Amino acid sequence: EVQLVESGGGLVQPGGSLRLSCAASGFTFSSYWMSWVRQAPGKGLEWVANIKQDGSEKYYVDSVKGRFTISRDNAKNSLYLQMNSLRAEDTAVYYCARYLGYCSGGSCYGWFDPWGQGTLVTVSS
Amino acid sequence: VIWMTQSPSLLSASTGDRVTISCRMSQGISSYLAWYQQKPGKAPELLIYAASTLQSGVPSRFSGSGSGTDFTLTISCLQSEDFATYYCQQYYSFPSLTFGGGTKVEIK
Repeated sequence: EVQLVESGGGLVQPGGSLRLSCAASGFTFSSYWMSWVRQAPGKGLEWVANIKQDGSEKYYVDSVKGRFTISRDNAKNSLYLQMNSLRAEDTAVYYCARYLGYCSGGSCYGWFDPWGQGTLVTVSS
Repeated sequence: VIWMTQSPSLLSASTGDRVTISCRMSQGISSYLAWYQQKPGKAPELLIYAASTLQSGVPSRFSGSGSGTDFTLTISCLQSEDFATYYCQQYYSFPSLTFGGGTKVEIK
């Protein structure tokens, strides 16, 4: 069974840092792009970041560029999100998701499946 | 930037109803669209990708249609377990992936 389990969420003060982890199982982790998607309380979904199979390409939504870093350890079947300079507007449930689709001409067009159960990050003083 | 307009934001329906949810793009995206279902307190689940391809294991009462700028998710005969929030997602403008605002389907 394909499974993604996030951890590392919690309460952090504005300006602080947090590192989220996602443990993958049930599939060949190193063969897939991976993603982080977040959802603020009572709000919709927002894609945060993507990372290529070997970590050589990383993409971010504009609002987190320069503050968040996505990474992976294929030997440990794990995905990470290092979040620095956190703001109140970063408060959300953060989901890890496998990114499926296909690549053509330098772009990788895809969707998210499956998703982890999510981990809540609260940025507040 | 591709703007997505999902409508309605709230839909009241009864078990057995046929319901349709719309997702409209500010520019054409071919068939680069997915649909998700999210139940309260749970992670989203993929229903449809490539606008009309049903994900394995998803009941056939769900269907997707459209291309270009206008897309529709249809539930042919609403079941009790279908009361949830539905999101569309475009992947045409990789790497900028975006979701619609969501449609909550509630019991009438």
